[in-house]
Parts: sequence; C-alpha cells; structure tokens
Amino acid sequence: GAGVSQTPSNKVTEKGKYVELRCDPISGHTALYWYRQSLGQGPEFLIYFQGTGAADDSGLPNDRFFAVRPEGSVSTLKIQRTERGDSAVYLCASSRSGAGEGAPLHFGNGTRLTVT
Amino acid sequence: AQSVSQHNHHVILSEAASLELGCNYSYGGTVNLFWYVQYPGQHLQLLLKYFSGDPLVKGIKGFEAEFIKSKFSFNLRKPSVQWSDTAEYFCAVGNTDKLIFGTGTRLQVFP
Repeated sequence: GAGVSQTPSNKVTEKGKYVELRCDPISGHTALYWYRQSLGQGPEFLIYFQGTGAADDSGLPNDRFFAVRPEGSVSTLKIQRTERGDSAVYLCASSRSGAGEGAPLHFGNGTRLTVT
Repeated sequence: AQSVSQHNHHVILSEAASLELGCNYSYGGTVNLFWYVQYPGQHLQLLLKYFSGDPLVKGIKGFEAEFIKSKFSFNLRKPSVQWSDTAEYFCAVGNTDKLIFGTGTRLQVFP
C-alpha cells in the first residue's frame, strides 16, 4: 500500500526565503510527526499532531517554524526567513495511534532542504 | 536531560560475523525503547521495540535486543550478519509520543 509521501524530495532556496514542505500520511493514521535530520545526526523531533491539533510542538527551534494539519490528514511544515542552518532532511512520519501506545512510526523519504 | 548514546558510529563486518550495537540512554521514568533501520536509499523503518515484559525482544530479520535496566542499555544483536544488513541503525527512546533518537551507527557488511 501507499506509504508516507513527502514533497518535494529536494528543495533549494536562498537565505531569507519562505518554504513549505508537504507530508501526506498513510490513510487512516491519526498521528503525524515532523523530524529534522542533519548530516551525521539522528532524527530530531520537531512537532507531533494527533488529528488536527498539535499535541506537542516543543521541538520547533524558533518562531520561524510552523506546521499545520487543518483536516487531520495532510500536513505542511512552513519555514520563514530561512537560514543556512536550516539545511537538513526534514522527515515526516505517521502512525495509527501515538508512538507512546506502541504504534510504529512509518517514515517518508524526507525532503532535503538546502539553503544557500 | 533525556538523551540517547550510540557509541559505535561505523562498524565494518564480514558476512557471518556476529553483531552487537550499543545503545545507552538517559531518561526519567518509564521508558519505551526502539531500534529503527534505514537501508540505502530507503526510509527509516522499525526493527524492534520494547515496552514491557521480557527484556529480550526479537525483531525482523533475525535481530534481537536486550533491555538491561540497571545499565540503561538496549543493545542490538544479530548472531550472523548478511550483506543485506548493510544500513544505518538508530536507537530511540521515549515514553510519550516524542521519540529521542541516537546519532546512528552505520553498518557495512562485506561478502
């Protein structure tokens, strides 16, 4: 079946620009996560949605980062005034329920963001 | 502070060798433990998990991991690796919906 889909797969943008990264979770999965993975590091938690609401956004690094999931399915991660330090692979994952309940996370292939 | 430490950054083995990848964590309270794997060109996927019960858990493809509470460890093992096990392996911990990942161990298996 279809897995988690992330678009675009690659995004190159100039410093100071605005970008949007999209995530299509597996159909029926209520939980959706955004992680960021820098070179040589493990995935770093950004935000978790349960349905339409952000249940935990404690990982967002600053107010330039924002994510929405208006209908409880597709999610968009928005980054304003991008900085070179934002360059990373942004991973989206979904699960049938929350990871805390034992449901495995299904990851997408990620969006590689490069800020020049 | 909550953290996960994977001491082996890069491991190189020949086929049929035994594997043990270390994972130590620092976490307050009840902890759930996971190993995820990322094969070349593929997305992260769950290898195995521990929530409670038998501290020795078995996952896919012959992998197993043992939770040792006194050592705050959850090491991954496989008795005999195959070339197809070449991948990056991530240990993760969490007791809510926020998982904390280690930096990963890159495993290369040569025929």
